Amino acid sequence: DTGVSQNPRHKITKRGQNVTFRCDPISEHNRLYWYRQTLGQGPEFLTYFQNEAQLEKSRLLSDRFSAERPKGSFSTLEIQRTEQGDSAMYLCASSGGGAGAEAFFGQGTRLTVV
Amino acid sequence: EDQVTQSPEALRLQEGESSSLNCSYTVSGLRGLFWYRQDPGKGPEFLFTLYSAGEEKEKERLKATLTKKESFLHITAPKPEDSATYLCAVRLSGGSYIPTFGRGTSLIVHP
Repeated sequence: DTGVSQNPRHKITKRGQNVTFRCDPISEHNRLYWYRQTLGQGPEFLTYFQNEAQLEKSRLLSDRFSAERPKGSFSTLEIQRTEQGDSAMYLCASSGGGAGAEAFFGQGTRLTVV
Repeated sequence: EDQVTQSPEALRLQEGESSSLNCSYTVSGLRGLFWYRQDPGKGPEFLFTLYSAGEEKEKERLKATLTKKESFLHITAPKPEDSATYLCAVRLSGGSYIPTFGRGTSLIVHP
């Protein structure tokens, strides 16, 4: 399967714990995006990488959130000191080619903070 | 103010009853409008990209069209398996490659 892969698919954690999610993009794609989605809403942008450089972060992104993309390959999203409001689906997408190229999504990681 | 607005929020159709979903955007400098389908608990699945007014794309019972300020997703003779949330996203010129999404239209097709 050469699509975008996200792990884990589901994560239940206690409030205050740290969690880390992994995204493996389509291998030839140089752009990688993280989104968050809650029930009944569209995906909300969190952060964007071009190769290994993190080029944009949402103003809504708390300093408890950090993302990396070492060597421009896979990416990780870490949430420190989780809160109940962090419960959501975390989606990763990748794209390549020109400025108009479409983004392809993984299946997401469902986070539940109890 | 939302840059991408989708309507209706929810739509219920009988099998075979054709209809259209709307996606309007308020910004200029479009570098791509994207339609996705999302099933519950899954990531969005890419359907179409439209780049310029007048462009049309088709896939099975779906047809996407684009004008200067909005796009329509036409569903012809839908089947229950077309039930899903349909998301629209835009990518703007000016250097940002980030697709901005609307809230989606939840479509239910009854047999």
